[in-house]
Amino acid sequence: SQTIHQWPATLVQPVGSPLSLECTVEGTSNPNLYWYRQAAGRGLQLLFYSIGIDQISSEVPQNLSASRPQDRQFILSSKKLLLSDSGFYLCAWSWGPGPYEQYFGPGTRLTVT
Amino acid sequence: DQQVKQNSPSLSVQEGRISILNCDYTNSMFDYFLWYKKYPAEGPTFLISISSIKDKNEDGRFTVFLNKSAKHLSLHIVPSQPGDSAVYFCAASAQTSGSRLTFGEGTQLTVNP
Repeated sequence: SQTIHQWPATLVQPVGSPLSLECTVEGTSNPNLYWYRQAAGRGLQLLFYSIGIDQISSEVPQNLSASRPQDRQFILSSKKLLLSDSGFYLCAWSWGPGPYEQYFGPGTRLTVT
Repeated sequence: DQQVKQNSPSLSVQEGRISILNCDYTNSMFDYFLWYKKYPAEGPTFLISISSIKDKNEDGRFTVFLNKSAKHLSLHIVPSQPGDSAVYFCAASAQTSGSRLTFGEGTQLTVNP
């Protein structure tokens, strides 16, 4: 069976500090991978999606970036965090190409202070 | 431009009764629709989906109805249970957008014992 891991579970970072969130998927190969953000009381906003290694599309211009150094590893980064980056970050995977259900990780709660 | 809308931010029902969650969309290219359930501080869990070639799909207590002419779908939960209390997200996908999903803002369902 497939599982998706995210870490850390919670993170408190000061404004201007760097960020690195990691996501890995087990039990499948060449998945589509996604990063979402859920701001407080809001829906899910797609930030990045990837259909393969080094194939990443950005949905929303911002100070975040994503990388996929390995087939089942997806990393969300920032060089300098803003207060507005606070939120609940979710990684997801799906069989590709779609349309297929996406399966989500447990999420990372990021608080920028 | 909110292409998927869940106009009711919250819904409260009694245990054993029917819960009806609604979702409207504006993009006529959407042809695959999904419902997710989300508990606080967890990733969303896939519940049920429906293709645009169908108007109904059932899975146990959960039934999704699709009205393409009205660009409307609904999720029925019968009978509702306290454990169903969660935020429910509607999502949609179009062939032209690959596996990307567009999510609604979510509806908080509370099932009272």
